[in-house]
Amino acid sequence: DSGVTQTPKHLITATGQRVTLRCSPRSGDLSVYWYQQSLDQGLQFLIHYYNGEERAKGNILERFSAQQFPDLHSELNLSSLELGDSALYFCASRPEYNSPLHFGNGTRLTVT
Amino acid sequence: DAKTTQPNSMESNEEEPVHLPCNHSTISGTDYIHWYRQLPSQGPEYVIHGLTSNVNNRMASLAIAEDRKSSTLILHRATLRDAAVYYCTRSAGGTSYGKLTFGQGTILTVHP
Repeated sequence: DSGVTQTPKHLITATGQRVTLRCSPRSGDLSVYWYQQSLDQGLQFLIHYYNGEERAKGNILERFSAQQFPDLHSELNLSSLELGDSALYFCASRPEYNSPLHFGNGTRLTVT
Repeated sequence: DAKTTQPNSMESNEEEPVHLPCNHSTISGTDYIHWYRQLPSQGPEYVIHGLTSNVNNRMASLAIAEDRKSSTLILHRATLRDAAVYYCTRSAGGTSYGKLTFGQGTILTVHP
């Protein structure tokens, strides 16, 4: 158990809809990262938050957004969903610079 | 970001050493090399990381070539629980440390 909790584990929705994925980092970890894993693109970095502030963006679509709340949990919002957004979405956290990432077990999103 | 290159798959027998190679010929001088592994239905799990010199921990050893264009993850005695997809990744340091660039990974099969 990595200590990172992601909910829900599975999500099935239709094209055009909006969903919110939730992540609770390990206790005390200030940094939260979101990654997407798809069959064709593999694991890709989406976005990084540190103590409530956005620190880095990767290959994140404009339809996607994230935030980190004062209690350090984070949410990834995906809107106007397309079939190609079907993927595993992982959250990871770490306490400080140069320490390894601890990944949750992901949310599997299926867009039909 | 330049991705790493790994063999698609490798096989090993239980209790034998396993050497998993990775090519990162375009790595910059300050980039870290990380290894993560992913078991089915789980998020990636940290294995080891290094910058220039070889590294050992309780899970594995990391041998980094002198020119840093390649590295090898060494599992000293493979067990059935080591069967997973192994990812060689890279990142810059500092605030970008957790922004990992993943390749396609190596599927490791361990035979009893």
